[in-house]
Amino acid sequence: GENVEQHPSTLSVQEGDSAVIKCTYSDSASNYFPWYKQELGKGPQLIIDIRSNVGEKKDQRIAVTLNKTAKHFSLHITETQPEDSAVYFCAANGGGSYIPTFGRGTSLIVHP
Amino acid sequence: GAVVSQHPSRVICKSGTSVKIECRSLDFQATTMFWYRQFPKQSLMLMATSNEGSKATYEQGVEKDKFLINHASLTLSTLTVTSAHPEDSSFYICSVPGLGLKETQYFGPGTRLLVL
Repeated sequence: GENVEQHPSTLSVQEGDSAVIKCTYSDSASNYFPWYKQELGKGPQLIIDIRSNVGEKKDQRIAVTLNKTAKHFSLHITETQPEDSAVYFCAANGGGSYIPTFGRGTSLIVHP
Repeated sequence: GAVVSQHPSRVICKSGTSVKIECRSLDFQATTMFWYRQFPKQSLMLMATSNEGSKATYEQGVEKDKFLINHASLTLSTLTVTSAHPEDSSFYICSVPGLGLKETQYFGPGTRLLVL
């Protein structure tokens, strides 16, 4: 089955800095890669996703890049703000499966 | 995206009792819903797939007689934790696949269960 590794587990940055979270996956059939943001005590919220036919996608301060050859994808947050503080999960869906395999999560702390 | 609600948001119960958690898809019908469990500072663990009109599909290691799932309608799935024990204390989250792009999951706000 699919295995998703996520790094780092904790990321601390100053407000205004950029943050990068990296994930690798094992199943070359995976073709959909969502990123979720989970605030304390709440359910995960989809913030951006990318499909395997695209190398990069941007949405305001958030961008995701995908390298299919190397089987890794990354989340980039620019101009971080304290409200970006949360746990971020990457995930990968393989071969038409509705069920994502999640990474272990990254706790992002943005210091004012 | 989809709007998903859960009820209750938190529940405290005594050991040995049963607790029912509801998951509702508010803006479209869902023949499939998913139930996850999340322990503190850990990732989401899929427990089961709830199928409207048929039996739920459980992940390996999840006891179907302990975690009863009923997908009574196209907008409602319920998870009942039977004979709850302190080790069942966790954050339970449901999700609904997107309409059309079913790989996208939309999660409910979660239910915090504490078993005393």
